[in-house]
Amino acid sequence: QKEVEQNSGPLSVPEGAIASLNCTYSDRGSQSFFWYRQYSGKSPELIMSIYSNGDKEDGRFTAQLNKASQYVSLLIRDSQPSDSATYLCAVNGNTDKLIFGTGTRLQVFP
Amino acid sequence: DTGVSQDPRHKITKRGQNVTFRCDPISEHNRLYWYRQTLGQGPEFLTYFQNEAQLEKSRLLSDRFSAERPKGSFSTLEIQRTEQGDSAMYLCASSLVAGSTDTQYFGPGTRLTVL
Repeated sequence: QKEVEQNSGPLSVPEGAIASLNCTYSDRGSQSFFWYRQYSGKSPELIMSIYSNGDKEDGRFTAQLNKASQYVSLLIRDSQPSDSATYLCAVNGNTDKLIFGTGTRLQVFP
Repeated sequence: DTGVSQDPRHKITKRGQNVTFRCDPISEHNRLYWYRQTLGQGPEFLTYFQNEAQLEKSRLLSDRFSAERPKGSFSTLEIQRTEQGDSAMYLCASSLVAGSTDTQYFGPGTRLTVL
């Protein structure tokens, strides 16, 4: 079992819709959770961080964490074509390094 | 805050050559991380420093790889006797540890191609 799992996609949504990206992790001791956005050929860019159960909202983005289910998600409201990218879920457990999933490719079509 | 910078942005080398990459972290950040990313995969941890001390090194990192952060500021990653399998994007990230949070910010990366 991979430590951090994501559906590779592509996830295709129409402009203006809500995109829902999901991630599961295996280490129950994980403390910190991050979503990064990565455009093709570029480096990861931090979108959201979340540390406690529940929802955290920042503009059009909402991160959701459920530690009991070992599940973290990212919702993107009013999706725009510029949101088309790969979204990486990263988990920081008992060690300081980040463990990344393979990413979900999101395509927002006009 | 000028962000994390990396140099060079691209490097093409022949198999067997040595290469060295540099990373300059965000100025007040005390932690510096190196990751490697291949196509279709997420970044994979290589090593990290807190100030000048190297605190962890991945078991996947062969002896051909070495990293330094001599004055707790910039860091270098050297790969000796490069192999084609070393072709990847090498990413540097930095963070300021504050309490229990450690948010890492990535540089633009160095893309290595080994011919």
